[in-house]
Amino acid sequence: EVQLLDSGGDLVQPGGSLRLSCAASGFTFTGFALSWVRQAPGKGLEWVSSISVSGGSTYYADSAKGRFTISRDNSKNTVYMQMNNLGAEDTAIYYCAAGSASTSYAFNIWGQGATVTVSS
Amino acid sequence: ETVLTQSPATLSLSPGARATLSCRASQSVSTYLAWYQQKPGQAPRLLIYDASNRATGIPARFSGSGSGTDFTLTISSLEPEDFAVYYCQQRSNWPRTFGQGTKVEIK
Repeated sequence: EVQLLDSGGDLVQPGGSLRLSCAASGFTFTGFALSWVRQAPGKGLEWVSSISVSGGSTYYADSAKGRFTISRDNSKNTVYMQMNNLGAEDTAIYYCAAGSASTSYAFNIWGQGATVTVSS
Repeated sequence: ETVLTQSPATLSLSPGARATLSCRASQSVSTYLAWYQQKPGQAPRLLIYDASNRATGIPARFSGSGSGTDFTLTISSLEPEDFAVYYCQQRSNWPRTFGQGTKVEIK
């Protein structure tokens, strides 16, 4: 079964850090670019970050630049996002999403989401 | 940043009706536009990529059209399972951006 399994969501205090993980199975991980997309409570989708197939290129939304770092371990079929200096505005469900050349890198596979709550 | 504006915000229709959703980009995105469906408590699902290509397993009642700055998602005859929120998203440039969503609700 094609699957992305998000994990690492938690309740964290303002200014704290968290690392999200997303483990892939059922497809050729090295053929996919990976991204994180978040959704604040009751709001729409917001792209956060992407990493290329090789891992050599990374991209960030302005809201994530300087605070979040995306990485991938192709030997473990896993993508990560290290999030530092978290604020209340980062409270959201974080989805891992994957896309390949076959769908022009649209987000064809999605994880179930990891809930991040930033609160004291 | 490319801003995507979806209209209407809410579409109230009956099952069997035709739904027409619009997505307008603040600058040309060529045909690098995708559409997603999201139901409550679920992750989004890819419907259309590159403006008009249906993703694997997507029923033929879903179709996409447009290029440049104006795009349309059409659902030819609404089924009960189609009532959801729909988002457009561009991959023409960085940062990737989503529209604010159109909710298709039962009238």
